[in-house]
Amino acid sequence: DIQMTQSPSSLSASVGERVTITCQASPDSSSYLNWYQQKPGKAPKLLIYDASNLETGVPSRFSGSGSGTDFTFTISSLQPEDIATYYCQQHDNFLRFTFGPGTKVDLK
Amino acid sequence: QVQLVESGGGVVQPGMSLRLSCAASGFNSSIYAMHWVRQAPGEGLEWVAVIYTISYDVNNKYYADSVKGRFTISRDNSRNTLYLQMNSLRAEDTALYYCARDRRVGDNDAFDIWGQGTMVTVSS
Repeated sequence: DIQMTQSPSSLSASVGERVTITCQASPDSSSYLNWYQQKPGKAPKLLIYDASNLETGVPSRFSGSGSGTDFTFTISSLQPEDIATYYCQQHDNFLRFTFGPGTKVDLK
Repeated sequence: QVQLVESGGGVVQPGMSLRLSCAASGFNSSIYAMHWVRQAPGEGLEWVAVIYTISYDVNNKYYADSVKGRFTISRDNSRNTLYLQMNSLRAEDTALYYCARDRRVGDNDAFDIWGQGTMVTVSS
């Protein structure tokens, strides 16, 4: 199975601050990566697909970049409604899917 | 309105079976790959299984190693419903089970629609 790491595992930031999360996948991954937001008690929500494409309706303060095994997710100006856990996700060449361990974002 | 609604969760003893259902509405689920994803209490997301359309992949069904041989994913296109048959349940299968739609763009598979989840508790 592919292995995925996310950094940091948690962070605290102030409103308006820039937030960056990194995701690293193992070399046998597909190189396609998606990002999800999960608020407490809610189902996950797709934010970014194929590393850098913003899902319809998602605010433009969210962005993604990267390729290969190293990817970055950014919130350009943190808002109170962005408090959530963020997950990266990939699949391998054998059509098995993996989520990263998650990054919990809190308000400072 | 595009929607997924899971049902069938409950409390069962170890070794028992349970079948989850996921009813799709607002779209034709038969033309999409569909997944089950679970989340143990206080933990992260774990992919469980996927079922593809026959036209995309003749082998069609893939599973996480943790459930292979015990869980079976299936679909009834006439009912627009996805299923997960779970046998030989273990305490570590305790989780909130989500179904999710797979939106494939090029070679990228993203889970673009999620249900609200159904809770499975395995306990003696």
